[in-house]
Amino acid sequence: DGGITQSPKYLFRKEGQNVTLSCEQNLNHDAMYWYRQDPGQGLRLIYYSQIVNDFQKGDIAEGYSVSREKKESFPLTVTSAQKNPTAFYLCASSLAGSETQYFGPGTRLLVL
Amino acid sequence: GQNIDQPTEMTATEGAIVQINCTYQTSGFNGLFWYQQHAGEAPTFLSYNVLDGLEEKGRFSSFLSRSKGYSYLLLKELQMKDSASYLCAARNSGYSTLTFGKGTMLLVSP
Repeated sequence: DGGITQSPKYLFRKEGQNVTLSCEQNLNHDAMYWYRQDPGQGLRLIYYSQIVNDFQKGDIAEGYSVSREKKESFPLTVTSAQKNPTAFYLCASSLAGSETQYFGPGTRLLVL
Repeated sequence: GQNIDQPTEMTATEGAIVQINCTYQTSGFNGLFWYQQHAGEAPTFLSYNVLDGLEEKGRFSSFLSRSKGYSYLLLKELQMKDSASYLCAARNSGYSTLTFGKGTMLLVSP
């Protein structure tokens, strides 16, 4: 089945810890995106990547890092510099930057 | 940048019709998306408008007026399963990142 997978579904972070959220797609999409969703807020763009080995900051990139070593994968690291990481994290991909974005099931990150 | 406004909540009755409005103010605009999101789940694509006018897709229709910075999503023959949040998103000119509104929570009652 083609689609976008995110893991884990739930993730717990301790104070001062870096954690990495996985996003994989087998749709052969060139572009991938990371969003954060807080209650009562819209989706906010963290990072995006148009092609392998290239990515750009979105509106709220501080405290996050990404890599795009493979077309299929776009992991997001939430660093200890992100002081309010509790949120629902959504990964999306599109065939090209100009096409419709499709979303993975999301990862809910909680701070212990 | 973009500023997207849509109502926070709406209620409607099963079988009725509901219209969810979205207004946007932009420094560059290249189309308008609507997504549906059930609680705790991923958004799913509903519609995309880039030209003025109405796009119909089954029970759902979406309208765009670029000159007025206005769009709406029309849901007909409402069903209980339509209870969800509806997200309006504007595509920015240049590279096609999206700016999302805060979403409209629709509650369909029997």
